[in-house]
Amino acid sequence: DAGVTQSPTHLIKTRGQQVTLRCSPKSGHDTVSWYQQALGQGPQFIFQYYEEEERQRGNFPDRFSGHQFPNYSSELNVNALLLGDSALYLCASSLWLLAGLGNEQFFGPGTRLTVL
Amino acid sequence: ILNVEQSPQSLHVQEGDSTNFTCSFPSSNFYALHWYRWETAKSPEALFVMTLNGDEKKKGRISATLNTKEGYSYLYIKGSQPEDSATYLCAFRRSQGNLIFGKGTKLSVKP
Repeated sequence: DAGVTQSPTHLIKTRGQQVTLRCSPKSGHDTVSWYQQALGQGPQFIFQYYEEEERQRGNFPDRFSGHQFPNYSSELNVNALLLGDSALYLCASSLWLLAGLGNEQFFGPGTRLTVL
Repeated sequence: ILNVEQSPQSLHVQEGDSTNFTCSFPSSNFYALHWYRWETAKSPEALFVMTLNGDEKKKGRISATLNTKEGYSYLYIKGSQPEDSATYLCAFRRSQGNLIFGKGTKLSVKP
């Protein structure tokens, strides 16, 4: 049973560039959430996708966008990168149907993005 | 602004010591409280999901309690082992909303 996978593991970009991060959810899960963890902070919610639509969004600018594919995998895109976007980006998967039951979210190992 | 506070920030204990940490969260519109264990270079691992006031959950030497009326949860580790060294994160959720995380408590257990 494959867990949540993310790619790439590490990424270095320069200011102004664009980046795409990828996530494959745990087998059987249909919902993907993205979180940003800056140094010294807890993970902060970016957005959540279910049925290929953004369902919830945290307090992040429009430069952060996403997509979910029919196979439930997801991408996080960040445009016009800033130094402050340097962080660990975590993907979590869950089952939409169980959201009302205190559903667990299963996390991937993250993608470390460094913006120079 | 919803704040989830965890204390202490870090903790150093000797092998065999028992320890506990605290997670404080808003007491209104509570839905669920999640505890995660996060070892360096690995994925955060779910420990507990707690939804009812007075909930107590246990997994091996680790247990957790929940007080939704006063807005806190305790995580206990009995007889700490070096492999318990990790960051312990709690996350609060309001009605089917997203998880709001604390900054975590970093535990180091010395042999």
